[in-house]
Amino acid sequence: EDQVTQSPEALRLQEGESSSLNCSYTVSGLRGLFWYRQDPGKGPEFLFTLYSAGEEKEKERLKATLTKKESFLHITAPKPEDSATYLCAVAVTGGFKTIFGAGTRLFVKA
Amino acid sequence: DTEVTQTPKHLVMGMTNKKSLKCEQHMGHRAMYWYKQKAKKPPELMFVYSYEKLSINESVPSRFSPECPNSSLLNLHLHALQPEDSALYLCASSTREGDYGYTFGSGTRLTVV
Repeated sequence: EDQVTQSPEALRLQEGESSSLNCSYTVSGLRGLFWYRQDPGKGPEFLFTLYSAGEEKEKERLKATLTKKESFLHITAPKPEDSATYLCAVAVTGGFKTIFGAGTRLFVKA
Repeated sequence: DTEVTQTPKHLVMGMTNKKSLKCEQHMGHRAMYWYKQKAKKPPELMFVYSYEKLSINESVPSRFSPECPNSSLLNLHLHALQPEDSALYLCASSTREGDYGYTFGSGTRLTVV
């Protein structure tokens, strides 16, 4: 069964304290892995797409990496405005479904 | 225009009411999606439209009825809902079905009383 698991469920950081969020996946075939940011009561905002192992993407304080079994979202020197839920999603082959992980709730304190 | 617009933003309806949610995009995307999201849970796929045709129906109860009148519009008709249907309903679009990152709307917060 295709599965996407994110850890930790919640992460509390001090401003400037760098860390990583994990997304591990078990799927029959990977078409793409996506990272989204979601603020409370809003729709998810697209951040990155990764297609193959070894690929990396960067945007401001965020960097996403991909291996054959997992993806990491690295947050460098986070600011309070980075507080949000970060969702990982995987598009699988053999169909057109995208499976979302449960998300990591990030809290950054000033 | 790089947005997906959903209306209304908030909706309160009784269990006997009929209402509709509307979603619009003008990015030329040919795949559109309805997701349901409960608090602190990930979005759950309900329906997928590809080139204005229903592609995926994730065993959604018939009290939810989707409609895609044209390539820019997606509706979700609601009838005889239950209180447990209260959730954030998200519309999304993508260039093609299943490819690339989705562009999501801000959602409609639905409360069934």
